[in-house]
Amino acid sequence: GENVEQHPSTLSVQEGDSAVIKCTYSDSASNYFPWYKQELGKRPQLIIDIRSNVGEKKDQRIAVTLNKTAKHFSLHITETQPEDSAVYFCAASRFYGNNRLAFGKGNQVVVIP
Amino acid sequence: DAGITQSPRYKITETGRQVTLMCHQTWSHSYMFWYRQDLGHGLRLIYYSAAADITDKGEVPDGYVVSRSKTENFPLTLESATRSQTSVYFCASSDPGLANQETQYFGPGTRLLVL
Repeated sequence: GENVEQHPSTLSVQEGDSAVIKCTYSDSASNYFPWYKQELGKRPQLIIDIRSNVGEKKDQRIAVTLNKTAKHFSLHITETQPEDSAVYFCAASRFYGNNRLAFGKGNQVVVIP
Repeated sequence: DAGITQSPRYKITETGRQVTLMCHQTWSHSYMFWYRQDLGHGLRLIYYSAAADITDKGEVPDGYVVSRSKTENFPLTLESATRSQTSVYFCASSDPGLANQETQYFGPGTRLLVL
């Protein structure tokens, strides 16, 4: 099955700087890659996703890039703010599959004011 | 988010007891999922269901039982709770008929402590 790994496990950044989280996946058939944000004590919520037919997608301060050849995708957060502090999970799945997502173990992002 | 709910939100039980965690969604999503979240392990899939009366095992199904008699409900039962089942349990749903068919929407979670 699909195996998704995230690096680094913890990331501390100064407020206003950029944060980058990278995920690698194992199944070359995977073609859908979402990112979820989970604040302390809350549920995971989708913040951005990308499909394998595009290489980059942006939504305000966040962006996701995909490298299908290397089988990795990254979350970029620019101009970080304290409210960006959370755990971020990446995931992968096959389009038209069984709707299962394989999740990475999560990255703790801490934005230092 | 209000369309998927879980109950109870917090539960304390003892080893060996049967516990049922409830999940209810109002969107008529066909897919529903149960995850457990433990520090260092992320989200691990326990069971999932593609439709009413169709369920399948995930990564960590041992010790759990599910049923799906109605589309909107997907209860998770711990038949004989063990301390290792102390965790936060999340239910989620998705629907292949939607534009973002793989997007999973999570419930608020149930924090379970097994003494």
